[in-house]
Amino acid sequence: DAMVIQNPRYQVTQFGKPVTLSCSQTLNHNVMYWYQQKSSQAPKLLFHYYDKDFNNEADTPDNFQSRRPNTSFCFLDIRSPGLGDAAMYLCATSRDGGLYEQYFGPGTRLTVT
Amino acid sequence: GDSVTQMEGPVTLSEEAFLTINCTYTATGYPSLFWYVQYPGEGLQLLLKATKADDKGSNKGFEATYRKETTSFHLEKGSVQVSDSAVYFCALRPYTGANSKLTFGKGITLSVRP
Repeated sequence: DAMVIQNPRYQVTQFGKPVTLSCSQTLNHNVMYWYQQKSSQAPKLLFHYYDKDFNNEADTPDNFQSRRPNTSFCFLDIRSPGLGDAAMYLCATSRDGGLYEQYFGPGTRLTVT
Repeated sequence: GDSVTQMEGPVTLSEEAFLTINCTYTATGYPSLFWYVQYPGEGLQLLLKATKADDKGSNKGFEATYRKETTSFHLEKGSVQVSDSAVYFCALRPYTGANSKLTFGKGITLSVRP
């Protein structure tokens, strides 16, 4: 089945130690998104790629970066994780245009110790 | 800017009860409307959608109708099951505009007891 895959499902990192989360898709969608979701809250968009064009949200901290080496893969890099970065990170994909829904991966639960 | 307002939760129902979760929106133009469901520890799954006024989305016994005159997209189910326990998010996406993005409501937690 076509889908959005995130690895790992659970990631533990130390305060200040860089961490990378990965996302891959078999849907061949041109748009990929990264969201941060904290307990009992709606997902918060960090940034998205429209093809290779990177679009950062105005309030996304510089500590968060992303790479999209090809259509299928997208990475979220957290350069110096703080305790406040502990959250669920969700990757999503979609076709461009308001008619289309976003398809979400299962998420990566990040713990910062 | 665009916004989505969901009724305050949480909601607790007995199995086989009728469910309504209210959702209203503010947007320019004619957005597409979505309901997503999130089970514990999982990502979001699309439950249903509607892309124009008077459209009815339906899936797994859930329904919602795009009401432009009341800017609403209320979610309903005639008989809930324990397995429906989850968090439900209403969302909109502008129809046009480069890089149109989802705007979510705050979500509401539904608990169904046997």
